[in-house]
Amino acid sequence: EDKVVQSPLSLVVHEGDTVTLNCSYEVTNFRSLLWYKQEKKAPTFLFMLTSSGIEKKSGRLSSILDKKELFSILNITATQTGDSAVYLCADYNTDKLIFGTGTRLQVFP
Amino acid sequence: DVKVTQSSRYLVKRTGEKVFLECVQDMDHENMFWYRQDPGLGLRLIYFSYDVKMKEKGDIPEGYSVSREKKERFSLILESASTNQTSMYLCASSLFGTQETQYFGPGTRLLVL
Repeated sequence: EDKVVQSPLSLVVHEGDTVTLNCSYEVTNFRSLLWYKQEKKAPTFLFMLTSSGIEKKSGRLSSILDKKELFSILNITATQTGDSAVYLCADYNTDKLIFGTGTRLQVFP
Repeated sequence: DVKVTQSSRYLVKRTGEKVFLECVQDMDHENMFWYRQDPGLGLRLIYFSYDVKMKEKGDIPEGYSVSREKKERFSLILESASTNQTSMYLCASSLFGTQETQYFGPGTRLLVL
């Protein structure tokens, strides 16, 4: 059975800190891994990773995939209170989107 | 097995036309989603619905509307198609929560000329 596991489950930091969120997966027919940020009802798309070792960046957020070790990380530098959310990674193989357990990030001033 | 079907695999429309994309799921799922997928931009949520007649905006709702009159059917409407709406459109459904496994249809590749 396909499985996506995230760690830590919860993280509390102060503004300005850098955080690293982890996602490991065990899936058959891997195609891509997606990162989302969820603040309200539905997740907001951040990154889609298909190739190993290629970093994707968007402002203070970056992510990389390791297909050999079956994991991905999401880095957030210089965190702000607006980064507080649940971060989800998901395995996407064109007919299913399987979400991980999520990491709840809280950033305090 | 969950089955999600979409009305067309390929569609070609002209700028300004009204476009309807239909999606039907047969597993009595509460949630239905419309995404568009573009190279380098991944899977972006347009709208989703968590119940009949209920809808919420996703990441990129501008230029789109949706309709969910029956639980099994979720329609995406492009009121006046534009060339930047050329994309692959994917419908998905999930049983309860938006973080649960979502099951996708085969997709509709839309070309707006």
